[in-house]
Amino acid sequence: GESVGLHLPTLSVQEGDNSIINCAYSNSASDYFIWYKQESGKGPQFIIDIRSNMDKRQGQRVTVLLNKTVKHLSLQIAATQPGDSAVYFCAEINNAGNMLTFGGGTRLMVKP
Amino acid sequence: EPEVTQTPSHQVTQMGQEVILRCVPISNHLYFYWYRQILGQKVEFLVSFYNNEISEKSEIFDDQFSVERPDGSNFTLKIRSTKLEDSAMYFCASMTGQVDQPQHFGDGTRLSIL
Repeated sequence: GESVGLHLPTLSVQEGDNSIINCAYSNSASDYFIWYKQESGKGPQFIIDIRSNMDKRQGQRVTVLLNKTVKHLSLQIAATQPGDSAVYFCAEINNAGNMLTFGGGTRLMVKP
Repeated sequence: EPEVTQTPSHQVTQMGQEVILRCVPISNHLYFYWYRQILGQKVEFLVSFYNNEISEKSEIFDDQFSVERPDGSNFTLKIRSTKLEDSAMYFCASMTGQVDQPQHFGDGTRLSIL
């Protein structure tokens, strides 16, 4: 995917540290959320998802937290590696389940 | 691991010409989508397609756009008369159709309108 020139919030972390990427969503009726990773020249790649009846879900090195009260999602990456450098998008699915609305994205830069 | 494939990776077209972007969704998926990402902007929904018809479309998807599943494997996006502002990355995605399953994306086609 093409993110060159996109004015994105940037998170810069040291290799081995934990990263936290935040996202605010807009539709209080959304009940399914997804985090995608987009590397340069690639399409969005699924990382982890969460349903609105949960507030936390863990994967391999990644955790998603959902706070429905303030309509906030976060993605936590443990022991961040150089290969984690990418743009991260949160996305919410509409009520009919057939349309993703993406957030603006955060660029994660991992310093060796 | 099965993946969504898109061709071509880069398409350069003169303004006013028709362009067809091609996608091969994951084989057992039933829902198909097109999104676009204009340089400097976020990923935007264009259209969803299920059971050989459009199930939802955005306001971007006007009469110049059409989608088709001409056979059992391909899913195409046609732009009938391209405009400069159609220049973008176009992503195809597919999904199984089961509840709460993510959409899987291809690596996109970069469309450049001259």
